[in-house]
Amino acid sequence: AQSVAQPEDQVNVAEGNPLTVKCTYSVSGNPYLFWYVQYPNRGLQFLLKYITGDNLVKGSYGFEAEFNKSQTSFHLKKPSALVSDSALYFCAVRGTGANNLFFGTGTRLTVIP
Amino acid sequence: DAGVTQSPTHLIKTRGQQVTLRCSPKSGHDTVSWYQQALGQGPQFIFQYYEEEERQRGNFPDRFSGHQFPNYSSELNVNALLLGDSALYLCASSLLQGGIGSPLHFGNGTRLTVT
Repeated sequence: AQSVAQPEDQVNVAEGNPLTVKCTYSVSGNPYLFWYVQYPNRGLQFLLKYITGDNLVKGSYGFEAEFNKSQTSFHLKKPSALVSDSALYFCAVRGTGANNLFFGTGTRLTVIP
Repeated sequence: DAGVTQSPTHLIKTRGQQVTLRCSPKSGHDTVSWYQQALGQGPQFIFQYYEEEERQRGNFPDRFSGHQFPNYSSELNVNALLLGDSALYLCASSLLQGGIGSPLHFGNGTRLTVT
């Protein structure tokens, strides 16, 4: 079975400050981890993924994420938040042999000017 | 390069009716997945199609069915609609040969309201 937990429904951060959106996962076998962003009335846009290799992965729009196997976490980070980063962020996992992504419940990020 | 397109964008149906949602995958993609996103929730996997066959199915009743055509486009059919079927239905495409790390490309969804 696979599952994803996003412990924070809402994250508020001031513009220019670093941001972190948390994600922990549970999966059988090797985890394949993804972050997506959703703007109002839109579909999901791919930000970045971890498949194997370096624990720090870089993605679109200056976002990065750190894979921590011992803590089964894959937190999304950005050094300096922009107001335009305000959106709904989803962490997702795909287990070995699975064809589908399993999504968390999402974290709403608000960047305050 | 057209991305994933879905139609219609919005739909209002009555309980008990049937609905068909349509999806055209991103150019070059051969695999289509459907997800249901209820208000305030993350997307939940309904099923995936490849080579016109259902490849995997999530925990959804048989009222949910699908089809993939030779041009890789897909339809999602829902019979005997319930109020709880009200949601945003998302179509996502990918390339099977891209492997397990191949990201999904999502359309903007169809907002279904059942009254």
